[in-house]
Amino acid sequence: AQKVTQAQTEISVVEKEDVTLDCVYETRDTTYYLFWYKQPPSGELVFLIRRNSFDEQNEISGRYSWNFQKSTSSFNFTITASQVVDSAVYFCALSGVFSGGYNKLIFGAGTRLAVHP
Amino acid sequence: GAVVSQHPSRVICKSGTSVKIECRSLDFQATTMFWYRQFPKQSLMLMATSNEGSKATYEQGVEKDKFLINHASLTLSTLTVTSAHPEDSSFYICSASGVIGPATSTDTQYFGPGTRLTVL
Repeated sequence: AQKVTQAQTEISVVEKEDVTLDCVYETRDTTYYLFWYKQPPSGELVFLIRRNSFDEQNEISGRYSWNFQKSTSSFNFTITASQVVDSAVYFCALSGVFSGGYNKLIFGAGTRLAVHP
Repeated sequence: GAVVSQHPSRVICKSGTSVKIECRSLDFQATTMFWYRQFPKQSLMLMATSNEGSKATYEQGVEKDKFLINHASLTLSTLTVTSAHPEDSSFYICSASGVIGPATSTDTQYFGPGTRLTVL
């Protein structure tokens, strides 16, 4: 089965705290892609990262970092020194042949992050 | 790069009327466009996938006669909600994937800002 699980429905932190959003996936594909998107209150989904299944290197982009662990089928997202502007719903997604094609996304349920001043 | 626009951002209409939503890729050629529906505090539900110049592929349970999709060019797709009813009220989001500059990336979807439809 193709599935993405974001077990954390809502997370609330105070500004400057670090926060990790979990993403666990299931797939029959050997080649697949994983994504993170941010949906702020305005509604538009903002693309954050795409990772292919053969690249297990962690990635850092400013305050954002991603940890891809194939052994545990996880692709977790950490925000360091969170800010109020990070408040949004974050979606993890998966694509692959068994998802209907590499450009077809299977979304998780999303994690709502609230960062308080 | 990879900007997708949607118009209108909000629309209110009377029950029984039809509403057209446009989705445009502004700086790349979108070989594939997707239409999603999102209910409050829920994830995105894929409605249909459309490739330029061909008929859309609808997901199970989505009425193709109710939600008409046209992808006539590499930069424009439209979703028409026909004979809208209050239960069609929702947030509709489009996305596009295609050739993004010299480094082709056909498997990343870039999303529009969404259209909030309210049917009275």
